[in-house]
Amino acid sequence: EAEVAQSPRYKITEKSQAVAFWCDPISGHATLYWYRQILGQGPELLVQFQDESVVDDSQLPKDRFSAERLKGVDSTLKIQPAELGDSAMYLCASSLAGDRSTDTQYFGPGTRLTVL
Amino acid sequence: AQSVTQLDSHVSVSEGTPVLLRCNYSSSYSPSLFWYVQHPNKGLQLLLKYTSAATLVKGINGFEAEFKKSETSFHLTKPSAHMSDAAEYFCVVSLYNQGGKLIFGQGTELSVKP
Repeated sequence: EAEVAQSPRYKITEKSQAVAFWCDPISGHATLYWYRQILGQGPELLVQFQDESVVDDSQLPKDRFSAERLKGVDSTLKIQPAELGDSAMYLCASSLAGDRSTDTQYFGPGTRLTVL
Repeated sequence: AQSVTQLDSHVSVSEGTPVLLRCNYSSSYSPSLFWYVQHPNKGLQLLLKYTSAATLVKGINGFEAEFKKSETSFHLTKPSAHMSDAAEYFCVVSLYNQGGKLIFGQGTELSVKP
């Protein structure tokens, strides 16, 4: 069964350093999402791509976070500089079309970020 | 605004007894509703979804949920808990007017005692 791949699984960094996370969605899925999940809470959407275009980045802290999906396939989320409050699980998800409320989003295993 | 409220932050059951995880939703439109499960340090797995077809939805691993519009509820149930069901469960609504954006509840942690 096809899965969403993410790497690394775990990342420890010091504050003010740069970090990057990678996601490879299920083949053929046009829509890709990045979520942040703080411990004890539900995930919150950071950014949504439709192919290579950003369709929603209203919750992305743009002063330090950036995301790209250059060829409309895999994606990278970057934080520069990292802050203590960025410690969280970063989840990637994909869906076939993504523009309908009935679409199912499939999640990867996540990257656990710890900022010291 | 569309939202979901999970009524219990933690539920504890004994193995072999029924499971009930409660979720209420708020939506101006006919909602799409999902239940996802998350095991420790893992991603989220879809258990089931409601998209305005049958109100009783059957999912994986013996879970089911019933959409009740009059009560604005979408509770998750399972007749008999298994140790492997211990995990965090999220009730989720999909925003009709925002291209399928998901809004997650705060989660319910299910513990299963032997």
